[in-house]
Amino acid sequence: EAGVTQSPTHLIKTRGQQATLRCSPISGHTSVYWYQQALGLGLQFLLWYDEGEERNRGNFPPRFSGRQFPNYSSELNVNALELEDSALYLCASRRDAPDTQYFGPGTRLTVL
Amino acid sequence: RKEVEQDPGPFNVPEGATVAFNCTYSNSASQSFFWYRQDCRKEPKLLMSVYSSGNEDGRFTAQLNRASQYISLLIRDSKLSDSATYLCVPERAGSYQLTFGKGTKLSVIP
Repeated sequence: EAGVTQSPTHLIKTRGQQATLRCSPISGHTSVYWYQQALGLGLQFLLWYDEGEERNRGNFPPRFSGRQFPNYSSELNVNALELEDSALYLCASRRDAPDTQYFGPGTRLTVL
Repeated sequence: RKEVEQDPGPFNVPEGATVAFNCTYSNSASQSFFWYRQDCRKEPKLLMSVYSSGNEDGRFTAQLNRASQYISLLIRDSKLSDSATYLCVPERAGSYQLTFGKGTKLSVIP
């Protein structure tokens, strides 16, 4: 069974630009979660999508947004990039409870 | 108070040693609990779920004390490949949202 996939692996942008990150969940998983992990810090919850709807978001500004497509893949958009947005962005997917989340390899975003 | 508190370590132990990690969580509404491991600059990978009755998976044993809001992980016969950061992860009821701390770093030395 294929795992969670994310693209691109690395992304380099400059301040003020927009970044788009993509995630494909494990087949059969309907929920997608996004996390940010800045260097030396723990994972911070960003967004949760389930069945195409945004179910919850973490304590991040509105320039962090996303969506989930009918095939359950998801996209994270970060507008007006700031230097502190440089981090590893992880996507995780989950089937129905009580299963837990399985993570993709992440996209490393660098903002110059 | 942080939602998840772990000793950041590092724990430097020789191969074959037994090592224990502890974790406390503050959200009493947490419903499920997991241990993940994260290798440097990689994604977290599920190590095991944690049940109130305690559970064992090979060399790994996890325990949960809901009254004390305390979780533990015991690793026996440590291997070099066990070197990683271990994350104690409570899951919030309803949202299934995982809460991560910074984890505990383990280095197993030859």
